[in-house]
Formats: sequence, structure tokens, C-alpha cells
Amino acid sequence: EVQLVESGGGLVQPGRSLRLSCTASGFTFGDYAMSWVRQAPGKGLEWVGFIRSKAYGGTTEYAASVKGRFTISRDDSKSIAYLQMNSLKTEDTAVYYCTRWSGWYGFDYWGQGTLVTVSS
Amino acid sequence: EIVLTQSPGTLSLSPGERATLSCRASQSVSSSYLAWYQQKPGQAPRLLIYGASSRATGIPDRFSGSGSGTDFTLTISRLEPEDFAVYYCQQYGSSPPFFTFGPGTKVDIK
Repeated sequence: EVQLVESGGGLVQPGRSLRLSCTASGFTFGDYAMSWVRQAPGKGLEWVGFIRSKAYGGTTEYAASVKGRFTISRDDSKSIAYLQMNSLKTEDTAVYYCTRWSGWYGFDYWGQGTLVTVSS
Repeated sequence: EIVLTQSPGTLSLSPGERATLSCRASQSVSSSYLAWYQQKPGQAPRLLIYGASSRATGIPDRFSGSGSGTDFTLTISRLEPEDFAVYYCQQYGSSPPFFTFGPGTKVDIK
């Protein structure tokens, strides 16, 4: 059974940093691109960024709203994807979901989400 | 940048009725990369439809997707109580911002 479990969320002050983790199981993690999607309270879904599999260079892409502040990385030996968030702003407050990108098959598996609250 | 618009914003229907949700793109989208997701309160989104018209694993056949180019539709043939939720369309493109979600359509009980 495919499972994605996020961790690392919490309350953080504006300007500070936070790192989220997404621990995967039930599939060959290294074969897939992984993505982060967030949802501000009461709002819709917003794509944050993704990291390709090593077979496709392991490169990353980001939404304009987080580019230069957020970094996605992966440790295929541990089946973990990370989202390093720096210079956090109040508008980054959201539930952050880790999701597997399966190309034509879409975002086919999602974690339960972890809440990040940026507030002084 | 491709913008997805969903209509209506809210759809009020009764169980057993047919629901038709629209997703319109600001420019042509590859059908291969148009998906629909369902989200219930307090839950993560769930993939319903990929490739514009293919049902994901375990999705009942009352859900169907269609469309091409800039106009896509999600149809729920007969609403079950568990289908009342928010539905998002999503596209993937080969240039930034790569992934775009529509604003969502809420299907609620009339």
C-alpha cells in the first residue's frame, strides 16, 4: 500500500525557516517525481514545487510565489522528500501536502498534510 | 501561463441528480495532462480522473471525464451522499508554472 506521511509542520515566526519531510512507503520511491501542494485556510490548492526522479536528472521546479525561498530535495535511500522553507511569510500559512507525480496518471497519491502557521 | 477557470463555483443538487462540472483553460491543454480531484473537508485531495477521461483506481463509474483543448467536463451521473465535496481540475504543462489547479467547484446538498 502506497503511503505518504508528512511531518515537520508547526508554528513559526515570519522570516524564520522550517523543513518539512515526506516519508514514503509502498513503492519504489526513486522511480517517481515528488511534489508539494499547499492549501491556505479556506482556499484552493496551490502547487508549490516538484523534484524529478534521478532518471530525469533530479531537477526541481517551483511556483513563482516560493522560488528562491523554498527548496525541495530527496533522499532516495531513505524514501524521503524534503521541503526546506526559508524567509517564511504570513501568506505561506497553509496545509502542505506531499504528493506523488505519476505523469499521465496525475498526482495519484497524497499525504494527509501538515499545517504550517507563520505568525508572530 | 495557463489559467484554469471552473464553473459553477457552487452546485446545489440532491442525491440521485446528475452533476456537470466545467473546467475551462485560457489556452489549449494537453488532454494527457488534465486531471480531476475530489476533496472532502479535513481530507487530502483524491485523484478521480486523469488523462481527461480515465478513471483512477477504485473510482466508481458514475464519475466520468470528457473534453479536449480548452474545455473539459467532469460528470457525476447520479450523486451519492459521499459525493458532496469540492472538485478541482488540474493541468500539467511543459513550461512554468508547470502545474495549475482550478479554483474548485463545491457540490453541496440542496
